Amino acid sequence: DTEVTQTPKHLVMGMTNKKSLKCEQHMGHRAMYWYKQKAKKPPELMFVYSYEKLSINESVPSRFSPECPNSSLLNLHLHALQPEDSALYLCASSQDPTGSSYEQYFGPGTRLTVT
Amino acid sequence: SQQGEEDPQALSIQEGENATMNCSYKTSINNLQWYRQNSGRGLVHLILIRSNEREKHSGRLRVTLDTSKKSSSLLITASRAADTASYFCATDLNTGFQKLVFGTGTRLLVSP
Repeated sequence: DTEVTQTPKHLVMGMTNKKSLKCEQHMGHRAMYWYKQKAKKPPELMFVYSYEKLSINESVPSRFSPECPNSSLLNLHLHALQPEDSALYLCASSQDPTGSSYEQYFGPGTRLTVT
Repeated sequence: SQQGEEDPQALSIQEGENATMNCSYKTSINNLQWYRQNSGRGLVHLILIRSNEREKHSGRLRVTLDTSKKSSSLLITASRAADTASYFCATDLNTGFQKLVFGTGTRLLVSP
């Protein structure tokens, strides 16, 4: 199974809501990633988890809170978002986080709209 | 911060023609990868070339890497309508953790 799944596919939320994005992989990968992608722009790295520990936070605002409950699951908790946070949120995984040459496997993304 | 610039930004060709996309980057890298993204969906890995490699092939894809010029190119031969997508180069910076920085992307349109 070489699939990364993400739920929900679409999410509309108000600025006062709390919601979560979910990502799952069953490839035994030990690195998981969150990216944000605005329309017609490249993906931008937000967080890297290595062996279930947060390794990289690319200065992401605290209204985005990642969580890695186990090696297969990655969540992104959202709270008090702004309209400019509307974007496609992509999850990815790779076999080994420690600088080796591995490809990343991406999920289909969650299209988030903040109203 | 953006590492890679790609050109052209958009490319329109006919089926059967070849498509070439170029990527330039700024700092030393561990490897460079190319990904494809169909409209508004997840990215699919195409090919990875390590910093000590100069050329790599995979099916109809050919990738070159010139570390002295900090540039790479992706050639798709005998293009098909199904190749229509955005193509991104991504550099893996040598930071100890795999950290991909994506280029600006090339939008390829292949017409039947």
